[in-house]
Amino acid sequence: DIQMTQSPSSLSASVGDRVTITCQASQDISNYLNWYQQKPGKAPKLLIYDASNLETGVPSRFSGSGSGTDFTFTISSLQPEDIATYYCQQYDNLPFTFGQGTRLEIK
Amino acid sequence: QVQLQESGPGLVKPSQTLSLTCTVSGGSISSGGYYWSWIRQHPGKGLEWIGYIYYSGSTYYNPSLKSRVTISVDTSKNQFSLKLSSVTAADTAVYYCASHTRGQLDHWGQGTLVTVSS
Repeated sequence: DIQMTQSPSSLSASVGDRVTITCQASQDISNYLNWYQQKPGKAPKLLIYDASNLETGVPSRFSGSGSGTDFTFTISSLQPEDIATYYCQQYDNLPFTFGQGTRLEIK
Repeated sequence: QVQLQESGPGLVKPSQTLSLTCTVSGGSISSGGYYWSWIRQHPGKGLEWIGYIYYSGSTYYNPSLKSRVTISVDTSKNQFSLKLSSVTAADTAVYYCASHTRGQLDHWGQGTLVTVSS
């Protein structure tokens, strides 16, 4: 299985801050990488697909970049409603695997 | 807009079989183009992909669970189902169904908590 390693595991930031989360794959996955947002008690929501493509309806303050083994997820200006846990997921190889998650809190 | 809804018992006894159904609305499973997956999340933990089925019946299971998992589809009811046998407390989790074209899980059910306990 491809291992996905996210960092940090938790993050505290202020409203308006730029927030960056990284995800590293244990092998080359090209751009077959998605990012999800999960709020407490809710199902995950797809935000970014194919490493850098914004899902329809997702605010433009969310972005993603990277290819190969190293990927970045960015919130350009943190909003209170962005408090959630964020996961990366690869789909280059089956089984699909997820990062362990990054819990984002407001400072 | 495709919507998914999980249903099934919230409590299962150890060694028994967990059975869940996902009902799809707003789209037809048999129209093709989409895969139908199950994912689980242990309490307070991350996401684990269980496996998928295509409308034709072809499946792929996570090797970590393969010996205990069966995913089936009923196109006449627009449903797909998960069976997980010989459950233990380690199978206590929120179980989600989801759909995807390639690997983007773009539609999810709201999830259902299944507790394994006697």
